[in-house]
Parts: sequence; structure tokens; C-alpha cells
Amino acid sequence: KNEVEQSPQNLTAQEGEFITINCSYSVGISALHWLQQHPGGGIVSLFMLSSGKKKHGRLIATINIQEKHSSLHITASHPRDSAVYICAVTPGSARQLTFGSGTQLTVLP
Amino acid sequence: GAGVSQTPSNKVTEKGKYVELRCDPISGHTALYWYRQSLGQGPEFLIYFQGTGAADDSGLPNDRFFAVRPEGSVSTLKIQRTERGDSAVYLCASSLVAGRAETQYFGPGTRLLVL
Repeated sequence: KNEVEQSPQNLTAQEGEFITINCSYSVGISALHWLQQHPGGGIVSLFMLSSGKKKHGRLIATINIQEKHSSLHITASHPRDSAVYICAVTPGSARQLTFGSGTQLTVLP
Repeated sequence: GAGVSQTPSNKVTEKGKYVELRCDPISGHTALYWYRQSLGQGPEFLIYFQGTGAADDSGLPNDRFFAVRPEGSVSTLKIQRTERGDSAVYLCASSLVAGRAETQYFGPGTRLLVL
């Protein structure tokens, strides 16, 4: 079992829809990260969370430490949001990231 | 300012050859990380440096892989006797320090293909 599990693996939505991507992890962590990867492009950090909720524009990230679960929400989705969204954690006393396998999001116009 | 840069962007080599991949971190970032991403998978950790020293190399798959950061800035990942299974995108990231809750900034990656 991977330490970081994401669901769904693939998600197709219509423009304007509210989107949720889920992440569960099985280890103690210092922080959880949500990252975005465009095709052929590098990885961009969206959020780093250790508790509660963060919001940036149309993106919202929440974390429940007790349940070892995080969600990334996108409100009023747009085709430019199409990308792979990756959940990653900093386990225990480590400094490096442990990644989930990503969620491929496609938003259709 | 400039982000993390990686060269080359693409590298095609033959099985058994030696390759070097370069990472230039954000200026002033003391921590540098190497990850490897296979198609359809999330990245996997290889090694990280705090300054010039390798603080954790537990992700290196075998002794064909080696990385250096002699002056605490640019790093080179070296792969000897390449195998087809080494084909992947090699990602470099840097952060201000190697903290447990630090944002890592990623480079565009080097796509390695071993024929």
C-alpha cells in the first residue's frame, strides 16, 4: 500500500463545475503539499498545509490531521485548470516529499 | 528572479553509457532535492543535499547512481552503465533550507531515454 493515495485517478468535468480531489496518507507528517503539473511542464506548488484550510483564488485546500485526509477543491472550474494535481507529504522527520500518483483533471469547455 | 533550471531538457543515450544531469537551484537556496518520475506515476525521492553534503541518499536505487554538489549550489546527478529502466523524467527542486515544512521549487526536469 502506498503511503499517499489519491482519488480519483482521472476526472473529467464541465467548465464551471465544482471539483474535489482527495488525498489520504498513512504516516505521521509534518506537512502536506498540493502541487500542479501541466503536460511537459514542471511542477508548481499550490499549497502547503499542516492544519485547517487555505484558499488561493478559486482553489481551496483542507486537511484533517486526525483522519489523515486532505482535499483540494476547485470552484468554477475552467479549461485552463486541466493538469495533473499531485498530493505529497513530508513524513515524520524527513525533509523530502513522498508523492501520490496524481489526479489527471480535464475540464471541458 | 530565476527559478530552478535543469540541463539538458532531453537526453537520449544508449544502454551502458554514462550520463550527467545538471541542476541549478534558486540562488540562496541551501537545500536541493533530486526526484525521478516515471510515466503516469508521482515522483520518487532519490537524494537531497543540505549545502554541500548529501543529507539523505536513501532513495538512490543502486550504486550506479551518484550525485554531487561540490560548492553548495549547482548539483550533478550521475548515472553509470545506464539501463532501459532508468528512462524517466529526473526532477530537481530546491528550498531555502531543508525544513520539514518548506516549499520546494521544482525545475522543468530532464527527460532521459535509454535505448
